[in-house]
Amino acid sequence: RKEVEQDPGPFNVPEGATVAFNCTYSNSASQSFFWYRQDCRKEPKLLMSVYSSGNEDGRFTAQLNRASQYISLLIRDSKLSDSATYLCVVNKRNSARQLTFGSGTQLTVLP
Amino acid sequence: DVKVTQSSRYLVKRTGEKVFLECVQDMDHENMFWYRQDPGLGLRLIYFSYDVKMKEKGDIPEGYSVSREKKERFSLILESASTNQTSMYLCASIRAGVNEQYFGPGTRLTVT
Repeated sequence: RKEVEQDPGPFNVPEGATVAFNCTYSNSASQSFFWYRQDCRKEPKLLMSVYSSGNEDGRFTAQLNRASQYISLLIRDSKLSDSATYLCVVNKRNSARQLTFGSGTQLTVLP
Repeated sequence: DVKVTQSSRYLVKRTGEKVFLECVQDMDHENMFWYRQDPGLGLRLIYFSYDVKMKEKGDIPEGYSVSREKKERFSLILESASTNQTSMYLCASIRAGVNEQYFGPGTRLTVT
């Protein structure tokens, strides 16, 4: 079983749609959770951290469910510029510095 | 503005050649990382360093070595390149106690 699993997609949605991605992780001791965004042929960049209580940043909402060991990302009112690959990221067992990256979910927002 | 730079964006090498990939960060970060990224496999950690001259193996260190002689510079070395090392290589750095990793633009290495 992979340490971090994501549905690879692709998700093709019209502009204005709401789309949600889920990610599951295997290490129950993980403490840090993130969503990174990677544009085509670019490096990954931090989109948002995921906190236990859930957190929101504009149109983006991240949730953490420790009991079920999954993380979600919700994008509301999607824009063309949201087209990218979204990477679920979790810290490695016994390490705060090392991160495990999911293989990413590809999103294309269509006009 | 935070900056991580890598020596080359594209590199083509022959099997058996020794390959050096350089990464420089200007943020005075203690921790630096080398990943490779392959379709369907995501980013996999090769090596990381938490201080000058210190290094630790990641998930896939075989066939690679690293060097960190100065805080700002972290080099990845392929001692004898092989075709299965054709990949995108990404360097990242992070300040101790902080979670966000900053990535360089990547080096796409092709070994023929």
